[in-house]
Amino acid sequence: DGGITQSPKYLFRKEGQNVTLSCEQNLNHDAMYWYRQDPGQGLRLIYYSQIVNDFQKGDIAEGYSVSREKKESFPLTVTSAQKNPTAFYLCASSPARAAGWDEQYFGPGTRLTVT
Amino acid sequence: DQQVKQNSPSLSVQEGRISILNCDYTNSMFDYFLWYKKYPAEGPTFLISISSIKDKNEDGRFTVFLNKSAKHLSLHIVPSQPGDSAVYFCAASPNFGNEKLTFGTGTRLTIIP
Repeated sequence: DGGITQSPKYLFRKEGQNVTLSCEQNLNHDAMYWYRQDPGQGLRLIYYSQIVNDFQKGDIAEGYSVSREKKESFPLTVTSAQKNPTAFYLCASSPARAAGWDEQYFGPGTRLTVT
Repeated sequence: DQQVKQNSPSLSVQEGRISILNCDYTNSMFDYFLWYKKYPAEGPTFLISISSIKDKNEDGRFTVFLNKSAKHLSLHIVPSQPGDSAVYFCAASPNFGNEKLTFGTGTRLTIIP
């Protein structure tokens, strides 16, 4: 059963702690993405990776870090430097940069709450 | 600076009638426009797209219209069904396959049986 897995669904952390969100895909996709969604705002791109061991900053990368050591995994670390970390985080993947739009799949998301 | 705007946060439509969701954009560099549908606790799924060389694209009950001069696009769903109740996002990109999509804020569509 192919797809994208994000865990956990809900995550709670205290302010000042780093936290890592998991994203795994078994679709053999080359590209992976992290988005953030806040109430009343659209999805905003945090980081993306087109190939293993390579990634680029999106529009709101400050306070976040990623790694892409394996094709199927693209974890996102929300660091203590991120000023407003509470949000809904979505991971996505697609076969390649020039893939059709219908080939980009999203995971179910992780809701992070930092208090 | 919201480059893609969906000014209606919510919309209710009777089952069987037409649902029209609207989206405006400000960046004239956008050449591709997409609609995504999102159910609660799930990620968005791609619905339909249109490139700027067209003014209409149809896929079954879903049609997207693009008015480039007005920087406006709309999604028409005919006839509306209860399963269409979801949040709909429009998104835009400067070129095909560009990973840097710009999303709107979403419109929650509720179909009333």
